[in-house]
Amino acid sequence: KAGVTQTPRYLIKTRGQQVTLSCSPISGHRSVSWYQQTPGQGLQFLFEYFSETQRNKGNFPGRFSGRQFSNSRSEMNVSTLELGDSALYLCASSPQQPGEQFFGPGTRLTVL
Amino acid sequence: DQQVKQNSPSLSVQEGRISILNCDYTNSMFDYFLWYKKYPAEGPTFLISISSIKDKNEDGRFTVFLNKSAKHLSLHIVPSQPGDSAVYFCAASGRGGSQGNLIFGKGTKLSVKP
Repeated sequence: KAGVTQTPRYLIKTRGQQVTLSCSPISGHRSVSWYQQTPGQGLQFLFEYFSETQRNKGNFPGRFSGRQFSNSRSEMNVSTLELGDSALYLCASSPQQPGEQFFGPGTRLTVL
Repeated sequence: DQQVKQNSPSLSVQEGRISILNCDYTNSMFDYFLWYKKYPAEGPTFLISISSIKDKNEDGRFTVFLNKSAKHLSLHIVPSQPGDSAVYFCAASGRGGSQGNLIFGKGTKLSVKP
């Protein structure tokens, strides 16, 4: 089975712009979660989608949003980028039943 | 307020010896615990997990121990190999619905010296 894929792998944006990141889960996985990793805060949960519905949300401002499509692919969007949004954004998928999550390689976002 | 804590940011071990990575948690609602390994520029890779109904789970060189009364878990790697050098994250998830939300510790960087 192919793993979780994320595009793009690297992205450079300037303050005030918006960005959309994409994630394709492992085939058959219906849950997709997004995490932000920064050196100071570690891995922090952004949100989780299951069957096109946001099921859980972390403590991030409304500038961070996401969605899931009927084929389980997911996108996350960050509007009005700030310097502090520079981070590695990780997507993870899991089967319907609780268990381990499988992570993609991440998208490295740099905001200048 | 950190619900999952890895108090040692780094650990150095000689090849062939045991590596013990520790993790503490504060939320008694957590019922599933996982360890992930992460290399630079890659996503975390799942290593091993344990349910709160167990106190030990073993997979090859990796063993996870859970002490619910102390809210503490540990990952033992025996024998340690240079390829084990990476950052190890402890994670927890809670009961009551979605387990798509993992709470991570800040990681411990393990260096295994030949």
